[in-house]
Amino acid sequence: AQTVTQSQPEMSVQEAETVTLSCTYDTSENNYYLFWYKQPPSRQMILVIRQEAYKQQNATENRFSVNFQKAAKSFSLKISDSQLGDTAMYFCAFIGSGGKLIFGQGTELSVKP
Amino acid sequence: GAVVSQHPSRVICKSGTSVKIECRSLDFQATTMFWYRQFPKQSLMLMATSNEGSKATYEQGVEKDKFLINHASLTLSTLTVTSAHPEDSSFYICSAESSGEAGETQYFGPGTRLLVL
Repeated sequence: AQTVTQSQPEMSVQEAETVTLSCTYDTSENNYYLFWYKQPPSRQMILVIRQEAYKQQNATENRFSVNFQKAAKSFSLKISDSQLGDTAMYFCAFIGSGGKLIFGQGTELSVKP
Repeated sequence: GAVVSQHPSRVICKSGTSVKIECRSLDFQATTMFWYRQFPKQSLMLMATSNEGSKATYEQGVEKDKFLINHASLTLSTLTVTSAHPEDSSFYICSAESSGEAGETQYFGPGTRLLVL
């Protein structure tokens, strides 16, 4: 069975600093997609970044970047220059041939002024 | 682009009544939509996969007669909670799948908070 694990239930970071959220997954498939979603207090799920497994280059979206290690099945999210608006629950997710998003347990990030 | 709306945003109803929640993809067509349920401080739990023009596929443990799903067009899926009871109170979120050049990506609606009294 495919699983996604986020081992950090809570994290905090000072404003303007950098923070890395961890995510590991388990799958026997070779082609799949990985995502990070953000859920702020409004509870709207927002797509932060997406990575195709066949691409070796790590995805980047402005202050957000990933470290995708396919062999290690690791997909961490780095947030640079953290802002107060980054405070949210962050979910790592996987989608393979089954077509269903599999979510991790989430990491609650607090950005402190 | 890739905006999904959900209506209503919150609803309070009496036990035994039915509630309909709409999910719309506003700027793209979605053959597949998904319905999730989320409890506080927890991850999203997939309830069912909604396919346009065919019957929904329900996850194990989800009562299909209680949670009726209709996906009549490429931009609209509805979830009807029939004979709602207090234990159905929860946050319901829909998503629509966009199969663009970036691959299959789900975009989420803002969610519906249901309170059954």
